Amino acid sequence: EVQLLESGGALVQPGGSLRLSCAASGFTFSNYALSWVRQAPGKGLEWVSAISGSVGSTDYADSVKGRFTISRDNSKSTLYLQMDSLSAEDTALYYCAKMRSDRIAAAVNYWGQGTLVTVSS
Amino acid sequence: DIQMTQSPSSLSASVGDRVTITCRASQGISNYLAWYQQRPGKVPKLLIYAASTLQSGVPSRFSGSGSGTDFTLTISSLQPEDVATYYCQKYNSAPFTFGPGTKVDIK
Repeated sequence: EVQLLESGGALVQPGGSLRLSCAASGFTFSNYALSWVRQAPGKGLEWVSAISGSVGSTDYADSVKGRFTISRDNSKSTLYLQMDSLSAEDTALYYCAKMRSDRIAAAVNYWGQGTLVTVSS
Repeated sequence: DIQMTQSPSSLSASVGDRVTITCRASQGISNYLAWYQQRPGKVPKLLIYAASTLQSGVPSRFSGSGSGTDFTLTISSLQPEDVATYYCQKYNSAPFTFGPGTKVDIK
């Protein structure tokens, strides 16, 4: 059974940093691309970033480019999202998501339960 | 960047009704289109990928069609458990934008 367990969400001040983690199990981690998708309270889904399986190529939404960094440790089956220069607009539930293939250009077929990031003074 | 729109933004229908949701891309995306269902308070769930391929385990009353810029998600006979917000997503190239969502409830 595929499981994605996010952690690291917290209350952080504007301008601060946070690192999210997603521990994965139930599939061959290195064979699949992964994404972070966020959802602000009461709002829709927003794709944030993605990383391919074996090569590790990455892409970002314009809203986070230059501030967020996605990475993965295939030896630990863990996905990360380093978030810097946080602002109130980054407040959201952050989902870890597994894609259907190694390529980032693929649909998401599994979602974690999410970890809440709140940016406020 | 390619923009994704959905219509309607919300709808109310009776149990057993046929429901159609439309998703439009501002430029052609071939068939790189997925549909997700998010029930209230729950995690999104993949329904359809490649515009028309039903994800394993999804009831056959759900179907998708379209290519290029215009896509539809159809629920052939609406059930109470289908109350949810439905999102389309393009995934031909980054950014992998979601549509704004269509909220479906029971009349």
